[in-house]
Amino acid sequence: QQPVQSPQAVILREGEDAVINCSSSKALYSVHWYRQKHGEAPVFLMILLKGGEQKGHDKISASFNEKKQQSSLYLTASQLSYSGTYFCGTVPYSGAGSYQLTFGKGTKLSVIP
Amino acid sequence: ETGVTQTPRHLVMGMTNKKSLKCEQHLGHNAMYWYKQSAKKPLELMFVYSLEERVENNSVPSRFSPECPNSSHLFLHLHTLQPEDSALYLCASSTGTTANSPLHFGNGTRLTVT
Repeated sequence: QQPVQSPQAVILREGEDAVINCSSSKALYSVHWYRQKHGEAPVFLMILLKGGEQKGHDKISASFNEKKQQSSLYLTASQLSYSGTYFCGTVPYSGAGSYQLTFGKGTKLSVIP
Repeated sequence: ETGVTQTPRHLVMGMTNKKSLKCEQHLGHNAMYWYKQSAKKPLELMFVYSLEERVENNSVPSRFSPECPNSSHLFLHLHTLQPEDSALYLCASSTGTTANSPLHFGNGTRLTVT
């Protein structure tokens, strides 16, 4: 079953912050985050491998709440280059040894000057 | 340059045609994937090969036939497709299982079935 992402779309002005959420009905082993710009390949951002883990680089970070079976992606002081569609992908505990990665429908982020 | 190259970038084919999509990865990865991306739908996993052996087949219609001759190349053979098969087909690779290995995607082949 696919994870649910929210919001579906968000518009930000440069310098504003945003949070994108990803929730699953299954217990999760790991969560992936990717960004896809129009006409381009999805690009890997980060993986969170265990509950409570937080990661980040530059001004994009993420957290993984194992108990709530959800992950959040935080974009701080947004830049025009952050525009794109953000996807989370989840691996359930039952599929920890497999190659199954189930994606959400994506969150379209638009950053305007 | 993503390290994963897909050809062609665009393909238009009739329902009675036979065509093939090609994917090549230059990253030394062991696993290769085909995903389908349709408008307003999440990315759908179609097939996975690990060390040239098919390890996942997500109930994909037989009109799609994958082939993995070696760990660097992956093909998707298409025949007798339907208009609803029009989509962006993405190839990806990874070092191991997706539990802890990120996917590296190619730019995709935009397929239109007429």
